[in-house]
Amino acid sequence: GAVVSQHPSWVICKSGTSVKIECRSLDFQATTMFWYRQFPKQSLMLMATSNEGSKATYEQGVEKDKFLINHASLTLSTLTVTSAHPEDSSFYICSAPQRGGSDTQYFGPGTRLTVL
Amino acid sequence: GDSVTQMEGPVTLSEEAFLTINCTYTATGYPSLFWYVQYPGEGLQLLLKATKADDKGSNKGFEATYRKETTSFHLEKGSVQVSDSAVYFCALKSASAAGNNRKLIWGLGTSLAVNP
Repeated sequence: GAVVSQHPSWVICKSGTSVKIECRSLDFQATTMFWYRQFPKQSLMLMATSNEGSKATYEQGVEKDKFLINHASLTLSTLTVTSAHPEDSSFYICSAPQRGGSDTQYFGPGTRLTVL
Repeated sequence: GDSVTQMEGPVTLSEEAFLTINCTYTATGYPSLFWYVQYPGEGLQLLLKATKADDKGSNKGFEATYRKETTSFHLEKGSVQVSDSAVYFCALKSASAAGNNRKLIWGLGTSLAVNP
């Protein structure tokens, strides 16, 4: 099956710094990718839809200046958490839908961000 | 708007017990329905899906039937194993979503622990 990777798998940073998370589709092209945030023992919260070649679409309540998304190519989307604070600590997950009209999405393994 | 309601966990069962995790939804038209599984320390994986009423999705001994009349997609397994311990998420994709707007609506997840 299709594979989506994320890098890094975990990161610890100081408050005020920025952190970039990469999401790659390894064996297929993805014009769209989704970024989620998962809190402990809670469901996934969709943050934004990343669109190759155009601006990302953010969900209500998600600060686009705080969470910068760039879909640089058909296989890479990045999420940058700018000026991170402890409340940004979370598990960030990306996904990419299978092309050709399928409903199936493939998920990355997630990135654990801890802001000190 | 569309929504998914999933039974709260955690669910604790003994090995070989019967499992049911309830999932109901609210949506217009005929959404596609999914169960995803998240094993400890791993990313989300598609477990099974159904795209139209009365369809039955099945995988790894798990089954779920798309019931339009009760707007449900309950997950069942006749005999669980310790290796089934994971968090299970019910999700839907709106029937009105088209093109790249394939975002999923998620339930809160149900944690399952199977004891030997």
